[in-house]
Amino acid sequence: KAGVTQTPRYLIKTRGQQVTLSCSPISGHRSVSWYQQTPGQGLQFLFEYFSETQRNKGNFPGRFSGRQFSNSRSEMNVSTLELGDSALYLCASSLQPGGDEQYFGPGTRLTVT
Amino acid sequence: AQTVTQSQPEMSVQEAETVTLSCTYDTSESDYYLFWYKQPPSRQMILVIRQEAYKQQNATENRFSVNFQKAAKSFSLKISDSQLGDAAMYFCAYRSVQTGANNLFFGTGTRLTVIP
Repeated sequence: KAGVTQTPRYLIKTRGQQVTLSCSPISGHRSVSWYQQTPGQGLQFLFEYFSETQRNKGNFPGRFSGRQFSNSRSEMNVSTLELGDSALYLCASSLQPGGDEQYFGPGTRLTVT
Repeated sequence: AQTVTQSQPEMSVQEAETVTLSCTYDTSESDYYLFWYKQPPSRQMILVIRQEAYKQQNATENRFSVNFQKAAKSFSLKISDSQLGDAAMYFCAYRSVQTGANNLFFGTGTRLTVIP
């Protein structure tokens, strides 16, 4: 069974631009969570989606948004990029929320210049 | 909010020896999950071991075992017979059961070096 895939793996953007990252969960998994990893703040939860609905959101500004499609694939969008948005963005999937292990993808490395 | 603390930024161990990584957490909840994740240089986060708070028995996965002390809110990871492939960042993480939320609260990580 294929693991969690994230595209693209690397991305370079300029301040003020917007970016969309994609995550395909393991087949059959319906819950997708997103995390931001930076050297300064560590790993921080962004949001969680299940059955195309956002169940939970972390403490991030409204520039960060996401969605989930009927096939459970998820995208996250960051608008008006800032230098501080440079990070590794990790996606994790599980069968359903609560009680199940989360499996992480390889991440997307976003660099904002 | 739940907080997870890993007080050892870096640790090293000789190959074949045993090492223990520390983790403490703060919560007012009675039921929760605790995890240890490994992140090698490839960046892929891999689940090492998990512990459910209502289970008194410490979890074990091959060379990996935990010492779960619920009253002390401590959750340490012991790696026995360390191998070169164990070199990585190790993150301790907490997830609530009561809220039903799926999000993990992570510690700041411990970088483990394995010396040949």
